[in-house]
Amino acid sequence: NAGVMQNPRHLVRRRGQEARLRCSPVKGHSHVYWYRQLPEEGLKFMVYLQKENIIDESGMPKERFSAEFPKEGPSILRIQQVVRGDSAAYFCASSPYATGDDQPQHFGDGTRLSIL
Amino acid sequence: DQQVKQNSPSLSVQEGRISILNCDYTNSMFDYFLWYKKYPAEGPTFLISISSIKDKNEDGRFTVFLNKSAKHLSLHIVPSQPGDSAVYFCAAFFGNEKLTFGTGTRLTIIP
Repeated sequence: NAGVMQNPRHLVRRRGQEARLRCSPVKGHSHVYWYRQLPEEGLKFMVYLQKENIIDESGMPKERFSAEFPKEGPSILRIQQVVRGDSAAYFCASSPYATGDDQPQHFGDGTRLSIL
Repeated sequence: DQQVKQNSPSLSVQEGRISILNCDYTNSMFDYFLWYKKYPAEGPTFLISISSIKDKNEDGRFTVFLNKSAKHLSLHIVPSQPGDSAVYFCAAFFGNEKLTFGTGTRLTIIP
């Protein structure tokens, strides 16, 4: 999937624990997007980040969820005090600059989060 | 509010025939449309896109048609091959915005 690396691929947490999902974009890509896919549903946008900046977080739940994309290192999606409803596949996508028809977003293979 | 809709959750097509996947949208601000293909346990893979100023874009076996007045687009795959069996997502965006996805259509190619 065009070099977007997500880890871990599978993550199991108990209710109340924290989940950290990592995304390394394609080398040279400075725009990162996080999406969530619930079972039998499409992907839903969560947050759009550029290096060190959150551009659009309109899809992020107001509480417990946060995201960052530091100057160095991967982008991190952090979920605090997880609940069963957080169980989903979380996908990261990257692009070299803002999305355009000649610069589609490239997706990683996702992290499957399961909450016990 | 589902701004991008794929009303057929599944579709079965015989190998060698044409597969037609449909997508409707409600937001007239969208100016780019994309199709992604997804295999189980993998991320979506970009297939083909179309700008709102065009009505057709073709890439090999894949053609996307856009009807702006009807707010409808379709993906044609011809001839269909067994490797085309996957879930297909329609997506749209405007400006420099995030992608809005449909719920997907599971395509099964019958040998």
